[in-house]
Amino acid sequence: ETGVTQSPTHLIKTRGQQVTLRCSSQSGHNTVSWYQQALGQGPQFIFQYYREEENGRGNFPPRFSGLQFPNYSSELNVNALELDDSALYLCASSPMGRTENTGELFFGEGSRLTVL
Amino acid sequence: AQRVTQPEKLLSVFKGAPVELKCNYSYSGSPELFWYVQYSRQRLQLLLRHISRESIKGFTADLNKGETSFHLKKPFAQEEDSAMYYCALGFGNEKLTFGTGTRLTIIP
Repeated sequence: ETGVTQSPTHLIKTRGQQVTLRCSSQSGHNTVSWYQQALGQGPQFIFQYYREEENGRGNFPPRFSGLQFPNYSSELNVNALELDDSALYLCASSPMGRTENTGELFFGEGSRLTVL
Repeated sequence: AQRVTQPEKLLSVFKGAPVELKCNYSYSGSPELFWYVQYSRQRLQLLLRHISRESIKGFTADLNKGETSFHLKKPFAQEEDSAMYYCALGFGNEKLTFGTGTRLTIIP
């Protein structure tokens, strides 16, 4: 069973640039959620994708956008980067709507973004 | 709006002593509560959820709706319990609100 994988692991951008982060869900999982974890804080829900559509969004501006592909992998895009976007971005998958769904999220190791 | 509060950022406990990590929540609906743990150099993972009413690695947590709490407890701490612990509130289809976390250190 392959776990959640994220790329890149680290990246540095400058203010105003755009970034794309990628996530492959765990085998058999159809739902992907993205979280932002600033230093010293808990993960904060950005949005969730299910069946290639956004299925809920947290308190993040529209410059945070995403995609889910037919193979359930996902991308997080952030436009017009700001200094406060510096954080660890976590992807989590789950088998929503399936009998094996237990409400548990399976997390990747994250992509650490630094905005200068 | 839902909120999770973990009042202790750091907690140190001697090996063999009882452990209690506090978690309070605010939510107008019927809560689903979880404890997630992150061991050193490992990814965030589920420790336990209130609906299962199970003990995992000796840890238990009871949902107290009157006090809006979901404290994590273990009667005898072990060195391998040292980790970052996050309390989380589910608000539908695995969307979670996390607390700020408590770093637990077990002193040998």
